Amino acid sequence: AQSVAQPEDQVNVAEGNPLTVKCTYSVSGNPYLFWYVQYPNRGLQFLLKYITGDNLVKGSYGFEAEFNKSQTSFHLKKPSALVSDSALYFCAVRPTAGTALIFGKGTTLSVSS
Amino acid sequence: GAGVSQSPRYKVAKRGQDVALRCDPISGHVSLFWYQQALGQGPEFLTYFQNEAQLDKSGLPSDRFFAERPEGSVSTLKIQRTQQEDSAVYLCASSLGGSGANVLTFGAGSRLTVL
Repeated sequence: AQSVAQPEDQVNVAEGNPLTVKCTYSVSGNPYLFWYVQYPNRGLQFLLKYITGDNLVKGSYGFEAEFNKSQTSFHLKKPSALVSDSALYFCAVRPTAGTALIFGKGTTLSVSS
Repeated sequence: GAGVSQSPRYKVAKRGQDVALRCDPISGHVSLFWYQQALGQGPEFLTYFQNEAQLDKSGLPSDRFFAERPEGSVSTLKIQRTQQEDSAVYLCASSLGGSGANVLTFGAGSRLTVL
């Protein structure tokens, strides 16, 4: 079955430190990969996507993600975390043959000052 | 409109009641998706429209769930004879096209609580 795994329910990091939120996927073919962020009582907001090409993708708010085909991973990164980055982050995959996004369970990022 | 609008934002229903949730997508967006997000979980796909055609309804959990988009714009998700397990946030999303690379824009969701 096609799936997305976010192995950490919560990631804690101090402001100014680098952060990584992990994502691995199990999807056949060459899927499209996405990261979304969700703030309380708000809808999911698009951060970035990987379609093809360069393995390092840059997105909104200083976030970037690294695609690794051999490890089937798409980890979200930021060089210097801000308190305002605290939110719920979702990795999502769209199989090339389908149209629906498959989401992971989400990782809560908590940035302390 | 500027974004995806969903109503109502909050709905409390007694078990057995029917509910209707509305989604107003971004103007001109061809594709529309419904997702169900249970507490502490990621969104789960329910159904997908391209214009007025419902191309995929494989995620609808039972025949109590029904969705329509009769004019290719506004969509309604209807749940008949609600059960407690239907309690969740129902998210609507739209995108300009149907290709895999298109970004989905999500609404704020409709939170359904079934008592």
